[in-house]
Amino acid sequence: DGGITQSPKYLFRKEGQNVTLSCEQNLNHDAMYWYRQDPGQGLRLIYYSQIVNDFQKGDIAEGYSVSREKKESFPLTVTSAQKNPTAFYLCASSIRWQEAFFGQGTRLTVV
Amino acid sequence: AQSVTQLDSQVPVFEEAPVELRCNYSSSVSVYLFWYVQYPNQGLQLLLKYLSGSTLVKGINGFEAEFNKSQTSFHLRKPSVHISDTAEYFCAVSGSGNQFYFGTGTSLTVIP
Repeated sequence: DGGITQSPKYLFRKEGQNVTLSCEQNLNHDAMYWYRQDPGQGLRLIYYSQIVNDFQKGDIAEGYSVSREKKESFPLTVTSAQKNPTAFYLCASSIRWQEAFFGQGTRLTVV
Repeated sequence: AQSVTQLDSQVPVFEEAPVELRCNYSSSVSVYLFWYVQYPNQGLQLLLKYLSGSTLVKGINGFEAEFNKSQTSFHLRKPSVHISDTAEYFCAVSGSGNQFYFGTGTSLTVIP
């Protein structure tokens, strides 16, 4: 079955530690996105990529980094510079802008 | 620039009653419009979308929405809700630039 796989489902980070969230898709979509979800704030765009080896900052990119070395993969690194990383992270992909397909999310908690 | 406003953050409704979740958008270009549903600790699932054509769009689980260009609205409706419809609902818009803009969500609670 085609879809988007995010891993891990739950992730715990210590203060000052970098962590990487995985996102893989087998839908052959060119565009991929990372969103952060906090209660009552909806989805906020962190980074997006329209083609391999190219990506753009979204509204809340500070403290995050991404790479797009393969069409299928768009990993997100939460760096120690992100002061409040506890949130639910969603990865999505799309063909142009006609529909976004979402993964099941990763819940990151700082301990 | 594009933006989405969901006018109600929480909507309680009794089982088998009708419901309407309101969504307004702003855009200077032609847009595509979407409604997504999210269950706890899960990703978003598409309910329905408007790309072009008929302004009345039917989706999954008995939901429908009407695109009103003059009022820049895309309200979601269901004639009779079930307990299983309890979830968070997001309205979204896309257009040029290959980005999606989401509202802040409406929490629908169906009361038995």
